[in-house]
Amino acid sequence: DAKTTQPPSMDCAEGRAANLPCNHSTISGNEYVYWYRQIHSQGPQYIIHGLKNNETNEMASLIITEDRKSSTLILPHATLRDTAVYYCIVRGTGNQFYFGTGTSLTVIP
Amino acid sequence: EPEVTQTPSHQVTQMGQEVILRCVPISNHLYFYWYRQILGQKVEFLVSFYNNEISEKSEIFDDQFSVERPDGSNFTLKIRSTKLEDSAMYFCASSDRRTGNGYTFGSGTRLTVV
Repeated sequence: DAKTTQPPSMDCAEGRAANLPCNHSTISGNEYVYWYRQIHSQGPQYIIHGLKNNETNEMASLIITEDRKSSTLILPHATLRDTAVYYCIVRGTGNQFYFGTGTSLTVIP
Repeated sequence: EPEVTQTPSHQVTQMGQEVILRCVPISNHLYFYWYRQILGQKVEFLVSFYNNEISEKSEIFDDQFSVERPDGSNFTLKIRSTKLEDSAMYFCASSDRRTGNGYTFGSGTRLTVV
């Protein structure tokens, strides 16, 4: 599975959009981009995933560049409860997710 | 919303003792997984289980570890002789297929080996 690069930390003002970038320049054609988050030491929580089209659900939007080498997770109106570590993971058909160190997002009141 | 349930939430055990961590996956899911996270470190894959057998395991999953699906609802991780370095959060996960958004994690069991 391709490796991802994320900034170690970001801040966002409450109510504003949080844009979390991820680089995955070695992604291959059959690999999906997944986003999970982990609040404190709770279990990772699925947010969204995509292959090449932009995706939106009730939690977030995922923007994938045309060359698929990077993506951005957008939380449209960040709340204090969105403070968490966000993981961008590229996964093919293998069984496992490889979690990196992620981006620690702090939402500031 | 369906959940993966893990029990106990916290377990303390003495070094050398056997411990069993229990998980109830989502009922229609077919793939089951264990991960662990040592305090302050990354979430690491241990093992995946499908069709009543291990489908993949990591280097961490050595002979002291075993998994079992003893009935139609539970999925367990056994550590035969615990070591201090086994202290970690252990997360169970399940999915209805190998890809897609159905990969759901439980809230974890914190194992403390003393």
